[in-house]
Amino acid sequence: DGGITQSPKYLFRKEGQNVTLSCEQNLNHDAMYWYRQDPGQGLRLIYYSQIVNDFQKGDIAEGYSVSREKKESFPLTVTSAQKNPTAFYLCASKPAAGNQPQHFGDGTRLSIL
Amino acid sequence: QKEVEQNSGPLSVPEGAIASLNCTYSDRGSQSFFWYRQYSGKSPELIMFIYSNGDKEDGRFTAQLNKASQYVSLLIRDSQPSDSATYLCASTDNYGQNFVFGPGTRLSVLP
Repeated sequence: DGGITQSPKYLFRKEGQNVTLSCEQNLNHDAMYWYRQDPGQGLRLIYYSQIVNDFQKGDIAEGYSVSREKKESFPLTVTSAQKNPTAFYLCASKPAAGNQPQHFGDGTRLSIL
Repeated sequence: QKEVEQNSGPLSVPEGAIASLNCTYSDRGSQSFFWYRQYSGKSPELIMFIYSNGDKEDGRFTAQLNKASQYVSLLIRDSQPSDSATYLCASTDNYGQNFVFGPGTRLSVLP
């Protein structure tokens, strides 16, 4: 079945540690997105990528980094510079062209130890 | 700043009633609109999308779009307790750019 796989489901970060969240899709979608969601809040865009080897900052990119070396993969690194990383992280993808909806993975819940 | 606005709720309706969820958007370039349902602790799932003015029906769900008023709504007929969730409205332009999510409306269907 085609879909978006995020791993791990739960992740714990120690002070000063970088952690990487995985997002893999087999939908042949060109565009991929990372969102952060805090409890009771809406989605905030961290980074997005419309094509391999290219990505753009979203509204809250500080303290995060991404790469897009393969069409299927868009990993997000939460760096030690992100002082308040506890949140629900959602990866989404869609065909780049046209007015198609985004589809989401199941999310990764990140907490500070 | 392109914005999509929703009443945060909670919107409470009795079981079997019609739930009406509303959304307004600021960008007149927005052409396509999406409704997602998000259960607590889960990721958003697509319910419906609408591109043209008027109504679009899918089972118990009806999406309504009025581009002149920059207004989108989602009606849920015969509401069930299992419909209790947060509903997110989103918009994009015809090129798939500028995908914008609203903050969501929390719906509670009371048995």
